[in-house]
Amino acid sequence: DAKTTQPPSMDCAEGRAANLPCNHSTISGNEYVYWYRQIHSQGPQYIIHGLKNNETNEMASLIITEDRKSSTLILPHATLRDTAVYYCIVRALYNNNDMRFGAGTRLTVKP
Amino acid sequence: ETGVTQTPRHLVMGMTNKKSLKCEQHLGHNAMYWYKQSAKKPLELMFVYNFKEQTENNSVPSRFSPECPNSSHLFLHLHTLQPEDSALYLCASSQDPSATGNTIYFGEGSWLTVV
Repeated sequence: DAKTTQPPSMDCAEGRAANLPCNHSTISGNEYVYWYRQIHSQGPQYIIHGLKNNETNEMASLIITEDRKSSTLILPHATLRDTAVYYCIVRALYNNNDMRFGAGTRLTVKP
Repeated sequence: ETGVTQTPRHLVMGMTNKKSLKCEQHLGHNAMYWYKQSAKKPLELMFVYNFKEQTENNSVPSRFSPECPNSSHLFLHLHTLQPEDSALYLCASSQDPSATGNTIYFGEGSWLTVV
């Protein structure tokens, strides 16, 4: 079963920051938060992951609350090409059998 | 280009046919996965292989038969499928489970239609 809760859909204006929330209240100490996205008809694309510190890469920033029960993925300047389904996944780093996806958030970036 | 290549990209097969999906990863990974994505449903984990050994079978019907001859190649053999098996089948790979940064990378998928 998925261990995360995400809103089913969100809209964002082009050029603005997109903030996608995820609740993972049952996360355990050895579990990481991963984010992927899936653009229509393509395979999921890795975005970012983190344990407890905030992380940033060329695609996005990941903000994890101090109690680790929720996180936010931030796309700083959303473009139309960022329209996709975004998945938040919680898994133990060393457990390959636990990479399970939920329904995700469908982000629509509008002009 | 993610380093995970799936062929064919599209496949149409009859219910009595036997066909195979192929996946190859060029990332030096040791774990490979099959996922199924039906229309308007979340991705479903089907099989996991770690170092060529199957470590997960998520209650998949026997008409789907995986094969992992080495850490770089993964097959999904298909036999007497049903129309409801029509879906996008995704292959993925990741590093040694004991390594840090064990990110999973996906291929572009194989669209399967069973007629």
